[in-house]
Amino acid sequence: EVQLVQSGAEVKKPGESLKISCKGSGYRFTNFWIGWVRQMPGKGLEWMGIIYPGDSDTRYSPSFQGQVTISADKSISTAYLQWSSLKASDTAMYYCARRSVYDLPLYNYYGMDVWGQGTAVTVSS
Amino acid sequence: DIQMTQSPSSLSTSVGDRVIITCRASQSINKFLNWYQQKPGKAPKLLIYAASSLQSGVPSRFSGSGSGTDFTLTISSLQPEDFATYYCQQSYSSSYSYTFGQGTKLEIK
Repeated sequence: EVQLVQSGAEVKKPGESLKISCKGSGYRFTNFWIGWVRQMPGKGLEWMGIIYPGDSDTRYSPSFQGQVTISADKSISTAYLQWSSLKASDTAMYYCARRSVYDLPLYNYYGMDVWGQGTAVTVSS
Repeated sequence: DIQMTQSPSSLSTSVGDRVIITCRASQSINKFLNWYQQKPGKAPKLLIYAASSLQSGVPSRFSGSGSGTDFTLTISSLQPEDFATYYCQQSYSSSYSYTFGQGTKLEIK
């Protein structure tokens, strides 16, 4: 079974650091980009960035550039999202998702077809 | 970043209704448009990719159309399990910044 399994919920204080994980299984982890998505309480989905575990090529949304670091360890099929200094506004659910490629006439199209279960991050003093 | 705008933000509907949700991109995105369904407390689920292709396992009452800047998601006959929030997402960006629309919440009338 193809799946992404994320690390458990975290409760942190402002200023603390944090690294959450997303472990892939059931497929060749190095062949698919992994994206990260934020969902603040009661709000919509926000695209944060994406990494290719095969070579760690990483792209960030302008809104999140410099705010978080995305990384991957292909030897253990795991992607990471980390903060060096959390803020209360980082309180949210964070999802990882796999980008699949759909080979159609004229173009390859992309969709996030497998999602992790989410990691809830609470930042409070 | 490419901006995605969905309408309506919420819709009060009944079982059996035909539902249409629209999504507009701030620039042409060809057919690089996906639709997702999210139920409370759950991760999003891919329904439609490439604007009109049904993801494996998704019921045929879901369909998508459009190209360029204007897209629609249609649910032909709403079922009880379809009450959820729906998001569009563009996957056109050359910088891999795949922005989402703000979501459309389907509520029971």
